[in-house]
Amino acid sequence: GQNIDQPTEMTATEGAIVQINCTYQTSGFNGLFWYQQHAGEAPTFLSYNVLDGLEEKGRFSSFLSRSKGYSYLLLKELQMKDSASYLCAPYSGGYQKVTFGTGTKLQVIP
Amino acid sequence: GAGVSQSPSNKVTEKGKDVELRCDPISGHTALYWYRQSLGQGLEFLIYFQGNSAPDKSGLPSDRFSAERTGGSVSTLTIQRTQQEDSAVYLCASSPGGNTEAFFGQGTRLTVV
Repeated sequence: GQNIDQPTEMTATEGAIVQINCTYQTSGFNGLFWYQQHAGEAPTFLSYNVLDGLEEKGRFSSFLSRSKGYSYLLLKELQMKDSASYLCAPYSGGYQKVTFGTGTKLQVIP
Repeated sequence: GAGVSQSPSNKVTEKGKDVELRCDPISGHTALYWYRQSLGQGLEFLIYFQGNSAPDKSGLPSDRFSAERTGGSVSTLTIQRTQQEDSAVYLCASSPGGNTEAFFGQGTRLTVV
């Protein structure tokens, strides 16, 4: 089975840096997705990590440690529009489905 | 169209009626997911289709829920004898495969009165 754990809510200040953690336990592992979901909208893809380490994509970076079953999403230079839910989603591989965590609701305050 | 299309966008139905929700995935995408999301909550997995494999129905909450995918393309989620607790946004997503980005439709907002 799959077990995914991420904080329910976080608050951070505009311009700051925030790290959203995700731990997971899966039967098999291929990679891990992060998605962003603004209120009232559908989720959209942010990143997919297959190898250990940090992958940077503009203001957003995603880190993976396969041995620890741990990932984080790092958001720099926070903007008000970054207020959204961030979903961690590990993928076990093959014909297995991608499983979504319940998401971390990030509120960016002035 | 270029994206995942869901219809209707909104559906209000009376308790006890059956409803059908439609999802048109992106052409060529072999993987198709249905999720349910209640207000302020996370995604609740319902069912997963991958190519010609048997669908993963492990998330369907009761036997009132069923889904099919015809010809590896369009999918229909059917809810029989709707209950008020079925009220939620039903999201469909498709992808070329498991290790690739999934694209979500805008969802069907179902309200059972």
